[in-house]
Amino acid sequence: SQQGEEDPQALSIQEGENATMNCSYKTSINNLQWYRQNSGRGLVHLILIRSNEREKHSGRLRVTLDTSKKSSSLLITASRAADTASYFCATDRGTGYSTLTFGKGTMLLVSP
Amino acid sequence: EPEVTQTPSHQVTQMGQEVILRCVPISNHLYFYWYRQILGQKVEFLVSFYNNEISEKSEIFDDQFSVERPDGSNFTLKIRSTKLEDSAMYFCASTRGITEAFFGQGTRLTVV
Repeated sequence: SQQGEEDPQALSIQEGENATMNCSYKTSINNLQWYRQNSGRGLVHLILIRSNEREKHSGRLRVTLDTSKKSSSLLITASRAADTASYFCATDRGTGYSTLTFGKGTMLLVSP
Repeated sequence: EPEVTQTPSHQVTQMGQEVILRCVPISNHLYFYWYRQILGQKVEFLVSFYNNEISEKSEIFDDQFSVERPDGSNFTLKIRSTKLEDSAMYFCASTRGITEAFFGQGTRLTVV
């Protein structure tokens, strides 16, 4: 697999349910970031977790990072129809700049 | 809230023509980036720019591409002789340092 691979590729849930998306990567990282993209629109930064952190919260978002397994998960609690979007993880390549390697993304559909 | 702005939102050009995509990064950011996303594919890094020079570039960023910061606010991507396969959404991003990246809404480039 390539750096920053998310699964599942697509996820369909009902409003109020939780959505969990996973990301795996291959090389060492400085940090891992999650982004959201509405169809045909720009990338919106959601949360950044550093390599020495294991868990981070922001509102309804919870991100975990397991550097030993080179994996991360994004949990969206109490999902809303407005959460419908594609979600990408991106790893900082550790080059000294915030150059990001993106995964293919998870397309989340939240039905009312 | 400060944001990265890109113009135009959509550009249609003939194959072989030169195009310039424009970006205004967030004013106190020091690092600037271009990424592209071919329809249905992952976001790919093109180039990073710091202290008025290219700091890193990908294999995609060949001699057809160039970047410039012509003044204190704009950051441009030039494609000298466009090919059909250059059709993609191009995103500009900026960061203060090795931190979260803020992306613009993108320019959709269509080469015909």
